[in-house]
Amino acid sequence: AQKVTQAQTEISVVEKEDVTLDCVYETRDTTYYLFWYKQPPSGELVFLIRRNSFDEQNEISGRYSWNFQKSTSSFNFTITASQVVDSAVYFCALSVDSWTDKLIFGTGTRLQVFP
Amino acid sequence: DAGVIQSPRHEVTEMGQEVTLRCKPISGHDYLFWYRQTMMRGLELLIYFNNNVPIDDSGMPEDRFSAKMPNASFSTLKIQPSEPRDSAVYFCASRGTGSTGELFFGEGSRLTVL
Repeated sequence: AQKVTQAQTEISVVEKEDVTLDCVYETRDTTYYLFWYKQPPSGELVFLIRRNSFDEQNEISGRYSWNFQKSTSSFNFTITASQVVDSAVYFCALSVDSWTDKLIFGTGTRLQVFP
Repeated sequence: DAGVIQSPRHEVTEMGQEVTLRCKPISGHDYLFWYRQTMMRGLELLIYFNNNVPIDDSGMPEDRFSAKMPNASFSTLKIQPSEPRDSAVYFCASRGTGSTGELFFGEGSRLTVL
């Protein structure tokens, strides 16, 4: 069975601080896909990134970066120099079916960035 | 371009009533998903369609729930009869074949069953 664990329920930081959101996954499949989604106060989920299990390279996109480590089954997300607009619930998700993206979501981490 | 459009945004109904939630996917997308979000269970996949055909409905809670996709631009999720435990936010999402795996979500329909 597959599972995604986001142990941090809520994180509060002050603007310009760096913050890391943790994600630990479980699967016996050798091919799988990991995702991060953002859910701002408006409610819709917004796709941030997709990684497959064969690509362990870290990725950076502006202030966002992702650290994928198969050895620890983790796919952590770091926001550098956080901003108030980063306040949202962030979900990590796992899929073992690349064709349909049937996603298994973690419980989410609520990030509050204070000015 | 318009995103995934869901209606109604909010619905309050009484137990036993029929509820119909609607979704218009992004034009050209051939996969459509219905998810439910609750505090207790988080985000759960209920059902998904490919080219209007239901592929996997294993997440549908029980027979009170049904979903249809009569054409490529419209899907419904119906609950009959509704119960208080159905209260949740229901999301519709779509994506195209060969995309990066990015699901486009609607803003959700918040259902409250009294």
